[in-house]
Amino acid sequence: GAVVSQHPSRVICKSGTSVKIECRSLDFQATTMFWYRQFPKQSLMLMATSNEGSKATYEQGVEKDKFLINHASLTLSTLTVTSAHPEDSSFYICSATLAGSYEQYFGPGTRLTVT
Amino acid sequence: GIQVEQSPPDLILQEGANSTLRCNFSDSVNNLQWFHQNPWGQLINLFYIPSGTKQNGRLSATTVATERYSLLYISSSQTTDSGVYFCAVRPSGGSNYKLTFGKGTLLTVNP
Repeated sequence: GAVVSQHPSRVICKSGTSVKIECRSLDFQATTMFWYRQFPKQSLMLMATSNEGSKATYEQGVEKDKFLINHASLTLSTLTVTSAHPEDSSFYICSATLAGSYEQYFGPGTRLTVT
Repeated sequence: GIQVEQSPPDLILQEGANSTLRCNFSDSVNNLQWFHQNPWGQLINLFYIPSGTKQNGRLSATTVATERYSLLYISSSQTTDSGVYFCAVRPSGGSNYKLTFGKGTLLTVNP
């Protein structure tokens, strides 16, 4: 149980375009989802916390207008990278928690390359 | 914010050897998780262990919350154990559920 999926697993887009990444909890309802970013050989850095039906909470230094997060249902959160630039190329990972639990379950990640 | 330090940063083992990875944290926590990140980037949940001891096959973990550290033991290591091991914590008393990650330990198990 507690499986989280992400789609797509990898995406290449051109500079200036937008790309959407989906995060789904497959077998549970996730009241809270998280979006992380990981650069090569580095640790995970939290970008934002997403609660179903409310606005996301962004970490300091993360541009909310550039990284749009929508958490429309208890099983789906989306991250849209708007007007992508090469420096946005990274590995994006989402996670989710079950109601009443602190434990986080992670998706397989999405590798974004902006050319 | 809370600080999380993992040691060693790198570890090279021969297959069959045992190892201990350490995670120190600077404040009290009510969530501590150990993960293994495989070569494809997937984070595998190993343990949810804010306190106490757990075992799962060749892996076990102990968290001594009062002394603010956790240990991950890997016995009879296999080449498939290679990858990065992360410790992540959530401080007690916080109003959200977010985790803070350590920098990880890169484990290489040679045949």
